[in-house]
Amino acid sequence: EAGVTQFPSHSVIEKGQTVTLRCDPISGHDNLYWYRRVMGKEIKFLLHFVKESKQDESGMPNNRFLAERTGGTYSTLKVQPAELEDSGVYFCASSPRLAGGYLQAQETQYFGPGTRLLVL
Amino acid sequence: DQQVKQNSPSLSVQEGRISILNCDYTNSMFDYFLWYKKYPAEGPTFLISISSIKDKNEDGRFTVFLNKSAKHLSLHIVPSQPGDSAVYFCAAISSYSGAGSYQLTFGKGTKLSVIP
Repeated sequence: EAGVTQFPSHSVIEKGQTVTLRCDPISGHDNLYWYRRVMGKEIKFLLHFVKESKQDESGMPNNRFLAERTGGTYSTLKVQPAELEDSGVYFCASSPRLAGGYLQAQETQYFGPGTRLLVL
Repeated sequence: DQQVKQNSPSLSVQEGRISILNCDYTNSMFDYFLWYKKYPAEGPTFLISISSIKDKNEDGRFTVFLNKSAKHLSLHIVPSQPGDSAVYFCAAISSYSGAGSYQLTFGKGTKLSVIP
């Protein structure tokens, strides 16, 4: 079974430019999460999709960030315009959606390798 | 304000000995805890988890202990192996977030080095 994949693995852009990150979750996983790790800091939650709907976007830093998950499969995260403080590693994670309404171990989130973004 | 704290940035242990990684949390609404392991240039990999209704969970060489009253958990690795050298992240979830989102709240990580 293929894991979570992310593209590109690295991106170097100038301040003010636009960058789009892509995440392909594990096949069949309804939940898709985006996280970010800024250098020296902890990994922080950005947002959560259930299929194509945004379940929780409380972690999105500002309106320069736009996430989509059309069709409930892969997701994109666009940063426009990019600022210096957006540099970091962007992780995507996915998990299955189980019945029952309460968290189970099987809903463990599986992470992709991340996209390393550097804004100069 | 950090809700999950890993106060030791690094830990060195001799091969074959026990590694103990510690984690403290402040949010009493957290009810599920996980440990992730991360190698350089890779994403975090799930290692072991524990529900707040338990105080211990074991999986092979890995055991997680939870002390709810102290808001403290620890990961024990016995015996430690050189391949265990990685950054270990403690993470927590509140299933009462209200948003229906099981977002992970992470600590900053502890870099474990197992010396052969």
